[in-house]
Amino acid sequence: DADVTQTPRNRITKTGKRIMLECSQTKGHDRMYWYRQDPGLGLRLIYYSFDVKDINKGEISDGYSVSRQAQAKFSLSLESAIPNQTALYFCATSDLVQRWTGVSNQPQHFGDGTRLSIL
Amino acid sequence: GQNIDQPTEMTATEGAIVQINCTYQTSGFNGLFWYQQHAGEAPTFLSYNVLDGLEEKGRFSSFLSRSKGYSYLLLKELQMKDSASYLCAATDSNYQLIWGAGTKLIIKP
Repeated sequence: DADVTQTPRNRITKTGKRIMLECSQTKGHDRMYWYRQDPGLGLRLIYYSFDVKDINKGEISDGYSVSRQAQAKFSLSLESAIPNQTALYFCATSDLVQRWTGVSNQPQHFGDGTRLSIL
Repeated sequence: GQNIDQPTEMTATEGAIVQINCTYQTSGFNGLFWYQQHAGEAPTFLSYNVLDGLEEKGRFSSFLSRSKGYSYLLLKELQMKDSASYLCAATDSNYQLIWGAGTKLIIKP
């Protein structure tokens, strides 16, 4: 089973519809992220959460909202979808480990992505 | 502002060596990651550097110079399966990742 699971994997919908993308993880990480990826633009951060009570906007949060229902679940909503939100969406998790030598930066682990098309 | 630069595309021959460069400007610095991403798939972690120098992992090595804001990923004995995009990401003072747009590596037989 995947450690970071995104649903759905593919979605085609119409302009104006409300859409929710879901992410769940079994890694026990506190930090969760939502990114979108467009050809030639790399990964852009939409929202991130460092724990259940902490939600932060990323660089492109307009038109999106999130909910951190539990440590393991982080969902992304498009309130009223528009065609330029067509993209590949990734959820990721990470941990920041406190060691006696200091903070240890840990890599992000990604879900398989949701390919979203808005007509 | 914060910025990551890496070449858009590179081509190399199977069995050869290729070096993918990355320069970064961030508010503070807490390390640099390299990820591999095959088309349509999720990025997967390759390497992490926080101190100056070379980190070697099998056919892949990554180098960091903090004073120059520069890193490279070195891939040896290239295989066709190495055809992918390689993403450079620097960590800022808040431990946030700043991502480059990725370098698409094309391997030719």
